[in-house]
Amino acid sequence: DAGVIQSPRHEVTEMGQEVTLRCKPISGHDYLFWYRQTMMRGLELLIYFNNNVPIDDSGMPEDRFSAKMPNASFSTLKIQPSEPRDSAVYFCASSLISGAQGYTFGSGTRLTVV
Amino acid sequence: GEDVEQSLFLSVREGDSSVINCTYTDSSSTYLYWYKQEPGAGLQLLTYIFSNMDMKQDQRLTVLLNKKDKHLSLRIADTQTGDSAIYFCAESKRNTGKLIFGQGTTLQVKP
Repeated sequence: DAGVIQSPRHEVTEMGQEVTLRCKPISGHDYLFWYRQTMMRGLELLIYFNNNVPIDDSGMPEDRFSAKMPNASFSTLKIQPSEPRDSAVYFCASSLISGAQGYTFGSGTRLTVV
Repeated sequence: GEDVEQSLFLSVREGDSSVINCTYTDSSSTYLYWYKQEPGAGLQLLTYIFSNMDMKQDQRLTVLLNKKDKHLSLRIADTQTGDSAIYFCAESKRNTGKLIFGQGTTLQVKP
């Protein structure tokens, strides 16, 4: 398996633009997680899905953020409109329900909003 | 609360042992984990320990778990410059599939 695949690796966009981050989890994994990492706040859980259903979105900062998982092999995190304070590295991770192996993380998308 | 606490920074000399400490809050956590993050990369699972174990050893890595004090530690023997990274402790939340991460400890290894 190629692991968790995120795209793009880097995104630079202007304030006010829509940004879409993509994630392909490991085949067969039941859970998918979206995290944001910044120097100030560390690693923050934004939302997670179990079998494509959102379970907990309490970490989503505000209505500008939305996430979908239309099928077991694809998820998106959308920011509309983007703001400079959204600049961060966004990670996707997936795991099996048993949890013994923990999460497998993607390489992240570094988002810069100017 | 759900806090997992770690010290933010540790500096050691190459060849010394490093010990990174973590405290967690959920006594029902099934597994506890250590992740490593190198610059510009995602988090990589380093090792994990089942909650009914006190110790786990894997080559240069030793994990110690004190359930009474909710304290987890990671010891790296013969620390190398390639071990320089951020190390995250995490606890599993029972029946949720969710991991709670600490804020990460930056390990600096000086030659």
